[in-house]
Amino acid sequence: ETGVTQTPRHLVMGMTNKKSLKCEQHLGHNAMYWYKQSAKKPLELMFVYNFKEQTENNSVPSRFSPECPNSSHLFLHLHTLQPEDSALYLCASSHTGERPLHFGNGTRLTVT
Amino acid sequence: DAKTTQPTSMDCAEGRAANLPCNHSTISGNEYVYWYRQIHSQGPQYIIHGLKNNETNEMASLIITEDRKSSTLILPHATLRDTAVYYCIVKTGANNLFFGTGTRLTVIP
Repeated sequence: ETGVTQTPRHLVMGMTNKKSLKCEQHLGHNAMYWYKQSAKKPLELMFVYNFKEQTENNSVPSRFSPECPNSSHLFLHLHTLQPEDSALYLCASSHTGERPLHFGNGTRLTVT
Repeated sequence: DAKTTQPTSMDCAEGRAANLPCNHSTISGNEYVYWYRQIHSQGPQYIIHGLKNNETNEMASLIITEDRKSSTLILPHATLRDTAVYYCIVKTGANNLFFGTGTRLTVIP
């Protein structure tokens, strides 16, 4: 148990579907992150939130829409995805400053 | 963030020390060295980090050279559960880690 919980663990969706990934942490952290890990590729940072404010958008297509309603919860809303968006989506949290990230175990997304 | 270079893969016998090297020759004075690992089908797990001095915790030791251009992660007694991909990352205070391809460590019985 990492302290960062992601749901669902697995998701299969069609290209016309709308779905959401959820991330929750109760570690008292005030920064949250979305990363994407495609097969055979390094982890790619997607979004960063500090104190509920988005501070980083790493040129992510608009079909991915993050939401951070409070410091404990982070969502990634998905719509009209492409098959190449199939990947492991990882959420992480941390304190701000020079502190380590705590990752969840990810949502394995398959777009058909 | 400074670029890091790690071997693609390494093997280690169970019970022996695993020494994983990392080169970060362009590191700047305020950049920390972080190590994470990722076991198959799980999210990355933080191991250790340091700036200048060597560091040790319950998982591993981190040895940073005096010129800070390279470091070594040491797992003192490797077990089969230490088989994973190990990532060396250097970063400044902003909390956006950029992962490379890491070293795939295989612990052999």
